[in-house]
This record gives sequence, structure tokens and C-alpha cells, in this order.
Amino acid sequence: DIQMTQSPSSLSASVGDRVTITCRASQSISSYVNWYQQKSGTAPKFLIYAASTLQSGVPSRFSGSGSGTDFTLTISSLQPEDFATYYCQQSYSNLVTFGQGTNVEIK
Amino acid sequence: QLQLQESGPGLVKPSETLSLTCSVSGASISSTSYFWGWIRQPPGKGLEWIGTIYYSGSTYYSPSLQSRVTISVDTSKNQFSLKLSSVTAADTAVYYCARRPAGDFRYFDLWGRGTLVTVSS
Repeated sequence: DIQMTQSPSSLSASVGDRVTITCRASQSISSYVNWYQQKSGTAPKFLIYAASTLQSGVPSRFSGSGSGTDFTLTISSLQPEDFATYYCQQSYSNLVTFGQGTNVEIK
Repeated sequence: QLQLQESGPGLVKPSETLSLTCSVSGASISSTSYFWGWIRQPPGKGLEWIGTIYYSGSTYYSPSLQSRVTISVDTSKNQFSLKLSSVTAADTAVYYCARRPAGDFRYFDLWGRGTLVTVSS
């Protein structure tokens, strides 16, 4: 299996802060990383695919980057509605796996 | 508008088989453009991919669950289903069904609301 390790597991930030979440793959996976946002009690929402391509309707303050084994999700200016848990997912193989999640909390 | 809706028992006894169905409305499950998947989330924990199916019946399963999982599709009912055998308390989770566009990037772009399944006697 390809393991995905996210860091940090949680962070506290204020509205307007720039936030960066990291995801590391256990082997090189090119750009086969997707990102999701999940708010408490709701289903995940798809944000980014192919490491850096925003899904239609996702605000431009979200961005993704990386290739190989190291990937990042950046929120350029954190908004109140962005407080949530974020997951990366590798799609290099048909046997996809998720990272363990990063909880973004209000400071 | 495409919607996915999970259904099935909310309580399953240990050692029995968990059975869930995902009903797809607003689109045909037989479309060649999509795969369909199951993902679960134990209370307070992260997401775990269970498996994915194509309308033709081709399946991919998580290696950690493969021996206990069966995913099937019923194109006449526009549904796909999950069966997980020999369940234990560790299988207690919210179970989501989701759509996966065909293509290399294998992301889940549309999810059902999820259904909580508790394993308990």
C-alpha cells in the first residue's frame, strides 16, 4: 500500500492567516494527489485533483502543489468557513489511500 | 441533479454481515464516465477507502478489507451495494458512497450524506 502522512495533525489559526498543510507519500506518486475538506458531521467535499487543479467552484484562496512524494495544500487567507479537517488522497494506483487528516481550528 | 443516498441497517451484530445500498438519482450508474465507491469513517477518525466498482462489475478493494468485502452493482435499479462480512466493533463507522470520474486521477467528486452503522450485540 502507498501510505500518506499528513502534517500537522492539527493546527490553530486566525482568520486571515496563511495556512499550509503537508502530505508525504511513502513512494513517488507523480502528481496523483487529491484534497478534500470535511466539516463536522458532513460528508467530505472535493477540493483539488492532480495535486494542483481546483475543482469548479472552489475558492481561489485554496491552492495545491507538489510532485513525487511531497505535497502541500495552502489556504492563502483563512476564512471562517474554512475551519474544518482536510484530507489528502493518493490516486497513483487503483488502491487509493487517504492521509489521516489535518484539523484546522480557530485560534 | 445527481444525488447519492446510502441505506441499510444502522445496527449489525458482531460476526454478521453488514449490507448497504447506494441509490443513484439524476444520472445513470451505467455511464462509462464514472466509477462508484465506498468509503468509511470510524467515529472521530479519518477516512478509509473500502472499494470501487465500475458498471461492468469490475472491482477494486482495499487490501486490508478484501477478504471480507463484496461490492456489486445493479444497473436495473441504478444502485450499487456493499457487503462486509464477519463484522466486529472496529467496523463501526459512517459509511459513504461516492462517485469517481473515470480517468487517471481517481478522485471522489460527489458523496452521499453517509450512514452510521454500529456493530453491537
